Amino acid sequence: SQQGEEDPQALSIQEGENATMNCSYKTSINNLQWYRQNSGRGLVHLILIRSNEREKHSGRLRVTLDTSKKSSSLLITASRAADTASYFCATGGGADGLTFGKGTHLIIQP
Amino acid sequence: KAGVTQTPRYLIKTRGQQVTLSCSPISGHRSVSWYQQTPGQGLQFLFEYFSETQRNKGNFPGRFSGRQFSNSRSEMNVSTLELGDSALYLCASSLRTSGSFNADTQYFGPGTRLTVL
Repeated sequence: SQQGEEDPQALSIQEGENATMNCSYKTSINNLQWYRQNSGRGLVHLILIRSNEREKHSGRLRVTLDTSKKSSSLLITASRAADTASYFCATGGGADGLTFGKGTHLIIQP
Repeated sequence: KAGVTQTPRYLIKTRGQQVTLSCSPISGHRSVSWYQQTPGQGLQFLFEYFSETQRNKGNFPGRFSGRQFSNSRSEMNVSTLELGDSALYLCASSLRTSGSFNADTQYFGPGTRLTVL
């Protein structure tokens, strides 16, 4: 079953604009991770935010976590064509495996 | 450091056959997890191995099995293939040590694309 649900399912923006995607989850978590997948390839880890953190930055990425609302957001600033990909949030891990949402497909228009 | 490698990258089989996929984790990583990705079901957890022991398995039939070797390399096997087994199979490794409370970052391989005809 899917733990996280990303919103929107698809997003198309112009190069240089910011892209925001959201993730909601159902149960309590220790951490939440965001991954990127380019066209049916492997997943690339972007960022991990722990349950006691509210915000985390990595380059052009900003992730927030609101455990009271069971939600997280991923902001990509100054988007580039190379950011075109599917983005997934994931919870859990370890022996229980990661539980992924269905993902947001991001298209950056030149 | 080399990343997670998976072989083969592409595979075509027919219904009823069996298949074995291989995964080599990042050097020093002891936990290996397998996932199945399909357009309909998305990314689903198959199983996780740590120190040659399967610690957990997702909601998949017994046709799906795996093992881990002493060097942490892992294989998964699917017997009596069905059309619905066509998918991208992803392997991930992490540094997770036994007893660690929080899951470590999982690093994924490029996947094996399995097509069942």
